[in-house]
Amino acid sequence: GQQLNQSPQSMFIQEGEDVSMNCTSSSIFNTWLWYKQDPGEGPVLLIALYKAGELTSNGRLTAQFGITRKDSFLNISASIPSDVGIYFCAGHQPFQGAQKLVFGQGTRLTINP
Amino acid sequence: ETGVTQTPRHLVMGMTNKKSLKCEQHLGHNAMYWYKQSAKKPLELMFVYNFKEQTENNSVPSRFSPECPNSSHLFLHLHTLQPEDSALYLCASSQDEEAQETQYFGPGTRLLVL
Repeated sequence: GQQLNQSPQSMFIQEGEDVSMNCTSSSIFNTWLWYKQDPGEGPVLLIALYKAGELTSNGRLTAQFGITRKDSFLNISASIPSDVGIYFCAGHQPFQGAQKLVFGQGTRLTINP
Repeated sequence: ETGVTQTPRHLVMGMTNKKSLKCEQHLGHNAMYWYKQSAKKPLELMFVYNFKEQTENNSVPSRFSPECPNSSHLFLHLHTLQPEDSALYLCASSQDEEAQETQYFGPGTRLLVL
């Protein structure tokens, strides 16, 4: 099935730095979702994007739905220790059923204090 | 707290055991899902239920048997599993199948098959 290419796979940064990660696909998507997963927990929704070009913020997080509908990015500003975790992008493709979410492989974020 | 609970949180079982995973959602949603999350792999959709009816079986082996008695509860019955079935099993729910609804996940059951 269609996969999302998420990069980078891992990031090691200093506290206070900004973070940027992205997802790309060869196919178009109708929605883009960004989730964060803490160790031992399930993914928690951070931001949902529903329109091409849409730019949405949630506190220090900002995500955009690419204008081509084939990509999305997530930025985190002024990182703090609780930002540590794995970030997943996910999306719905047209004509694949409203319930079939495709996931990226995740970006593991590690923060050095 | 996402409104989706899963029990047990951890499970160790032998290959000849039979066990069940339980998921309950308190969000009033109509669709529920089972996913498998293995190390270094994207989440794999296993089953989808909408209004208690199974609408998706993503080529899952028959040793995994889902059950959805109502829109709030979802079970995954396990029997004669293999060690490679060890993974985090996540339940999720969404409002319905008509909109591009976001899915809300439970905390997962960490399964180890010996």
